[in-house]
Amino acid sequence: EAQVTQNPRYLITVTGKKLTVTCSQNMNHEYMSWYRQDPGLGLRQIYYSMNVEVTDKGDVPEGYKVSRKEKRNFPLILESPSPNQTSLYFCASSFFGPQGGYGYTFGSGTRLTVV
Amino acid sequence: GQQVMQIPQYQHVQEGEDFTTYCNSSTTLSNIQWYKQRPGGHPVFLIQLVKSGEVKKQKRLTFQFGEAKKNSSLHITATQTTDVGTYFCAVTGGGNKLTFGTGTQLKVEL
Repeated sequence: EAQVTQNPRYLITVTGKKLTVTCSQNMNHEYMSWYRQDPGLGLRQIYYSMNVEVTDKGDVPEGYKVSRKEKRNFPLILESPSPNQTSLYFCASSFFGPQGGYGYTFGSGTRLTVV
Repeated sequence: GQQVMQIPQYQHVQEGEDFTTYCNSSTTLSNIQWYKQRPGGHPVFLIQLVKSGEVKKQKRLTFQFGEAKKNSSLHITATQTTDVGTYFCAVTGGGNKLTFGTGTQLKVEL
C-alpha cells in the first residue's frame, strides 16, 4: 500500500530533550515536507526537500532540523524542544513538489507535547 | 511568503443544504489545490486547478478557479454527514513551498 509512515503517533517529552520524528514513504516521491498544525493557524510548512541532500526552509523553520540522506526518509529533529513546539506534525510527500501537478500524500500525524 | 485567505472559518449546515468555501489571494496563482481533513485525520488531496476559469466536478463537489486566477471555491451540493471535516486550499509559493489556507470547518447536522 502506498503510504507515508510517521513515528511515533504520540509523544510527550520534556523541554530540552532532543527528539526525532521519523517519516518514510514508499512511493519513490522526490518531494517531501514537514508541516505543523495548530488551532486557528492551519498547516504551516517547516521544511521541505526536493530530493536527496536538498532541503529548504519553509515558513516556520526555527527550532527544527531535517535531513534527506535517502530518498524515502525525511526525519524531523528537534534539538532542544520547547513548549511552543507542542503541536500536531504532518509529513507529506509528492512527485516533483507543488508545481508538478500531483497532490501531496500525508502521513497520519504525530501529536507532540513538550512540557 | 505566499498568503491565501480562506472563508468562512466555520460553517454549520443541515444535511441536504449546500456549502461553499472560498479562497482568495492578492496575487495571481499558478495553481491551487484542495484538501479535506476529517476530524482526527490527516489532509487528503482532492484536486488541483491550473487553468483560468477552470471548473471541475467530483460527484457532489464542484471546484472553480477564478478567471483572474486569484480566487477559488469549493461547492458541495446537498451535504451529507460524510462531508464533515475541514477543507483547505493550498497554493504554490516561491521556492516550491505549498502554503495552506487556514481552512473551513464544516459541520453537518441531521
